[in-house]
Amino acid sequence: GQSLEQPSEVTAVEGAIVQINCTYQTSGFYGLSWYQQHDGGAPTFLSYNGLDGLEETGRFSSFLSRSDSYGYLLLQELQMKDSASYFCAVKAMNRDDKIIFGKGTRLHILP
Amino acid sequence: DVKVTQSSRYLVKRTGEKVFLECVQDMDHENMFWYRQDPGLGLRLIYFSYDVKMKEKGDIPEGYSVSREKKERFSLILESASTNQTSMYLCASSWDSVPYEQYFGPGTRLTVT
Repeated sequence: GQSLEQPSEVTAVEGAIVQINCTYQTSGFYGLSWYQQHDGGAPTFLSYNGLDGLEETGRFSSFLSRSDSYGYLLLQELQMKDSASYFCAVKAMNRDDKIIFGKGTRLHILP
Repeated sequence: DVKVTQSSRYLVKRTGEKVFLECVQDMDHENMFWYRQDPGLGLRLIYFSYDVKMKEKGDIPEGYSVSREKKERFSLILESASTNQTSMYLCASSWDSVPYEQYFGPGTRLTVT
């Protein structure tokens, strides 16, 4: 089967750095994406890794290693507004070609 | 800005009713999706569509059907609503190209009593 595993919750301190991991089991996929969802809001796209390596967008970076079936989202200089749920997702390369989401990681930020 | 709108923000229906959830996108996206979101279960794909009049089952299609008569509109239909279909329903759309970024609507909180 195809699945993505993420920690259910992560807690960090304001101003610190936090890493949210995503491990996956899928036969093939186009790339790894990350979405952010605040309470009561809709998910919004953060980043996409089509190739192995690090992609940086401001305070957020995302990493992919296909050989290790592993990716992560790195948030630096944490702010209270970063408190949200974060989802990794892949577009599977199979007959259905659908997008598969992880169950999400709830990020708690302490002042 | 891409806009995905859903017909209702909150909806309360009775068991056995037929329920229609409408989704409209204004960016000429090929792909449209319906998800339900429940605490601890993440986003689960119900149905998706890659073109007009085309539909594919997702992971949990039972009890649901869809309709896509026009490119911009994707409807989710609960044929006979049940209490276990109480959930947040999210519609999304995307182009069929890298990075396959999905744009989500605000969601419809459906309660079936």
